[in-house]
Amino acid sequence: QITLKESGPTLVKPTQTLTLTCTFSGFSLSTSGVGVGWIRQPPGKALEWLALIYWDDNKRYSPSLKSRLTISKDTSKNQVVLTMTNMDPVDTATYFCAHRNLNSGWFDPWGQGTLVTVSS
Amino acid sequence: EIGLTQSPGTLSLSPGERATLSCRASQSVTSSYLAWYQQKPGQAPRLLIYGASSRATGIPDRFSGSGSGTDFTLTINRLEPEDFAVYYCQQYGSSPITFGQGTRLEIK
Repeated sequence: QITLKESGPTLVKPTQTLTLTCTFSGFSLSTSGVGVGWIRQPPGKALEWLALIYWDDNKRYSPSLKSRLTISKDTSKNQVVLTMTNMDPVDTATYFCAHRNLNSGWFDPWGQGTLVTVSS
Repeated sequence: EIGLTQSPGTLSLSPGERATLSCRASQSVTSSYLAWYQQKPGQAPRLLIYGASSRATGIPDRFSGSGSGTDFTLTINRLEPEDFAVYYCQQYGSSPITFGQGTRLEIK
């Protein structure tokens, strides 16, 4: 059974850097084809894809946020880390991580999500 | 970037009725690489349909997906009380991955 869980601060100040960790079980990021993605959802709004990382350390970013995002993995700890710089109140959202297979492309399953509020 | 427009924004139906949700892409979706997700309040999205028409594991057969190119449909037959939620489409055939803005299915 695949499970994922996001962790990180619930409150960050404007201009600060957000660091979120996705800890997963039931699969390995050293297995060919496996990936983990990050998706966010502002309160009451739609989903927005942010970043992806694959078993071979291949990384993909949303073009609109690429300059602010960094995704990395720690295979030994079964973790994926997302950092987002220069946080702004519009970045207030629930941040989800999700399992993705290169050969499939959809996200399944998802973590429960973590709400991050950006406020001074 | 492929934009996805879902309609209607809100759909009000009664249990037992059929729901038809639309997802229209701004350009053709490669190889019907389109997925549908269900999201209930306070929960993460759940995969329903992938490849435009394949049901994910454990999804009841009252859920079905169809379409190709730029027009896709999620149909839910014989609505159950637990089906009232928000539904999102997602294309994964072209980078960047994009989601629709969602359709809220509410009890009439």
